[in-house]
Amino acid sequence: DGGITQSPKYLFRKEGQNVTLSCEQNLNHDAMYWYRQDPGQGLRLIYYSQIVNDFQKGDIAEGYSVSREKKESFPLTVTSAQKNPTAFYLCASSTGIAGESYEQYFGPGTRLTVT
Amino acid sequence: DQQVKQNSPSLSVQEGRISILNCDYTNSMFDYFLWYKKYPAEGPTFLISISSIKDKNEDGRFTVFLNKSAKHLSLHIVPSQPGDSAVYFCAASVSNTGNQFYFGTGTSLTVIP
Repeated sequence: DGGITQSPKYLFRKEGQNVTLSCEQNLNHDAMYWYRQDPGQGLRLIYYSQIVNDFQKGDIAEGYSVSREKKESFPLTVTSAQKNPTAFYLCASSTGIAGESYEQYFGPGTRLTVT
Repeated sequence: DQQVKQNSPSLSVQEGRISILNCDYTNSMFDYFLWYKKYPAEGPTFLISISSIKDKNEDGRFTVFLNKSAKHLSLHIVPSQPGDSAVYFCAASVSNTGNQFYFGTGTSLTVIP
């Protein structure tokens, strides 16, 4: 059963601690993405990766870091430098091939609360 | 600056009637548009897409219309069903820029039985 998994669904951390959110996909997609959603706002792109060992900053990358060591995995670390880390985080993947139908498939999300 | 806008935060429609959700964009380079449906505490699910070479795409009860001159797209749901109640996001991209999508702020649709 192909899809994207994110774990955990809910995550609580103390301010000042780094935290890593997991994202795994078995769709054999080349491209993966991290978004955050805040109340009343659309999805904002944090980082994306079109291929293993390569990634680019999105619109709101400050305070976040990623790695792409395997095609299936794209973990996101929320560092203590992120000023407003409490949000709903969504991971997505797509075929990443321009010219094809390349809608993004989303995971179920992780709600991070930092106090 | 928000490049994709959904100016109606919410919409209520009677079951069986048509739901029309609107989306405006500012970047004339956008050439691929999608609609997603999202339930609370879940990831968005893809509904329907349209390329800028078309002005209409239909899939069952869902039809997306694109007006490039007005930089406007709309999603029509006919007939609306209570299970359609969700938040709908439109998204846009430029084909040759690495699949980076820009999302609107969403419209919450409530279909009243």
